Formats: sequence, structure tokens, C-alpha cells
Amino acid sequence: GESVGLHLPTLSVQEGDNSIINCAYSNSASDYFIWYKQESGKGPQFIIDIRSNMDKRQGQRVTVLLNKTVKHLSLQIAATQPGDSAVYFCAENIKGNTPLVFGKGTRLSVIA
Amino acid sequence: DTGVSQNPRHKITKRGQNVTFRCDPISEHNRLYWYRQTLGQGPEFLTYFQNEAQLEKSRLLSDRFSAERPKGSFSTLEIQRTEQGDSAMYLCASSSPTSGRAGELFFGEGSRLTVL
Repeated sequence: GESVGLHLPTLSVQEGDNSIINCAYSNSASDYFIWYKQESGKGPQFIIDIRSNMDKRQGQRVTVLLNKTVKHLSLQIAATQPGDSAVYFCAENIKGNTPLVFGKGTRLSVIA
Repeated sequence: DTGVSQNPRHKITKRGQNVTFRCDPISEHNRLYWYRQTLGQGPEFLTYFQNEAQLEKSRLLSDRFSAERPKGSFSTLEIQRTEQGDSAMYLCASSSPTSGRAGELFFGEGSRLTVL
């Protein structure tokens, strides 16, 4: 069935470098996407969202890029810090009215 | 703390026993969701409520699972005759369709179930 997935299960970056986490989605009807961060033993926390009428959205140190042509979503974290170490999930739904569908996640490890 | 609250945080039980988890959502949120998460996987949708009405159930929700939200506030998720495969983190989330980010879910810390 259609689902949200990720290209890489793990990513290690040096502290201070930029991180890029990728996500592929297959439901062309999805029009709302969210990136969540999950630290060990905690529930997922919202990072940033983007609607399908946008290509890029920026937050504090984070940027989400959406390429609808190839159904690809990415999360860029600038100047990665040790506190960014966590598992990152992308999630999708349709018009905010359907339950969010999550991908498998990418574990980001920041090397000090 | 006005976030989503889940109890208990951890539950260890023997196979065949029944367990119940409780979720208290953010008070002004009318939608409440249950997800299940196993190690290394993303959360998987189980069911959701709008006020007291259960609007959707996943095929993952077998007949041993039942969820209720009797007064449109807190919710319970009961698992009967637990099996080892039920071991997972059970996450509750709430949302408000009138918020600026209508699809955003606010998650609790989860209830971890271990079935021996």
C-alpha cells in the first residue's frame, strides 16, 4: 500500500555541520507534511510542517523542502548540535483530516 | 502541565492478562488518536475519536483491542488476552481541527507495554 518512507535509517554528522534527512512519500493525494523529532523514551515532537502549495519553509535552524514532482521531502538542520540527536520522522495526511501516516524514521547522531 | 498525559508510563504483564491505558488529551482538543510504535519503527495508527465518536479504526486494531472516549475527554485503550506481539509503546495524541496547523498531532510520552 501507499506509505511514507525514508532513504537512510541512520545519519551521523559532526557537531556544527548541516544535516539533511530525506523522506519519500507515495500518496499523491497527501497535501500536508510534518517532520517530528523523537528522543529516546519520549513521544514525537513537532518540528516543522509544510503544505503542498509550498516548496520550502524555514524555521529556526530547520528548513523543509518539498518536491512534489518526485514526491520527496527533506529536513535540513543547520549547525547541528548534540541536542539534535534523535530519531526524525516525516508524516503526511490529506487536508489535515486524515490520521497522520508516519515513515520509519532516521536516527541522527551528532558527533562532538 | 497542559500537554497530553498518559498512564501508566510502563506496564509489564503476563501473556493472557488484560491491560488498560488511559490518555488525557489537551483540554481544548476534540480529536484524540491512538498509535502503536515498536522499536525502530514509526508510529502506526490504531484509531481516533472526534469528541466521543470513534471515527476510524485501523486493521491493526484486532478484536482484542477496544478504545473508548465516553465523555469526549479522556480515553482508554484496553487490550484483552495480551500476546507477546502486543509489546510496544502505545502513544496517544490530540489535535484541534481549528488550529492553524490542523493536521498537527500533540503526542503524550507514551505507555510502554511489555508482555512476558
